[in-house]
Amino acid sequence: IAGITQAPTSQILAAGRRMTLRCTQDMRHNAMYWYRQDLGLGLRLIHYSNTAGTTGKGEVPDGYSVSRANTDDFPLTLASAVPSQTSVYFCASSPGSQVADTQYFGPGTRLTVL
Amino acid sequence: GQNIDQPTEMTATEGAIVQINCTYQTSGFNGLFWYQQHAGEAPTFLSYNVLDGLEEKGRFSSFLSRSKGYSYLLLKELQMKDSASYLCAAMDSNYQLIWGAGTKLIIKP
Repeated sequence: IAGITQAPTSQILAAGRRMTLRCTQDMRHNAMYWYRQDLGLGLRLIHYSNTAGTTGKGEVPDGYSVSRANTDDFPLTLASAVPSQTSVYFCASSPGSQVADTQYFGPGTRLTVL
Repeated sequence: GQNIDQPTEMTATEGAIVQINCTYQTSGFNGLFWYQQHAGEAPTFLSYNVLDGLEEKGRFSSFLSRSKGYSYLLLKELQMKDSASYLCAAMDSNYQLIWGAGTKLIIKP
């Protein structure tokens, strides 16, 4: 692999179901991020991780959880999906944390909650 | 509060020049990023400014005025492949990016 991969590419989910979006990077970047992108709104940060073993809340964390057990993987879990979580989800990474580094994005997961 | 403003949509002609403006208000400032996003794809990095002035990179240039909280992205010699959304993002004092909603650029032949 080169860069960031996300899985699945798209998913239709019934409300109330649990769902984990996967994100893996092979660039040995320290920082990783989860964003959601909705029409007419800017990218909004859900959760982030400055380094393996640490995570933090972004602007819209409610209903989502993350873990960072190692450098490469940063899964995002929706414990009980609701229709308002219908969105395109992007995972991103940057070489450093707490510095002005460029963020590199995965291809995204399009999630529909019915 | 933190806020980024940029026009929703712009139209330009192939071969012409277009300027996309962005104003920002953030808690602290650690630079201004521009990203390009084609429909259905991920954002990709275009430019970063932290000092006042113009940064030129081929057909694309980006300008920053910190005192005015203002940036623009200048695209020259427009090509059809430049049809995309252009995202402005300011980095705040916590090194988090605050994103604008994006400017959809439509290029006409």
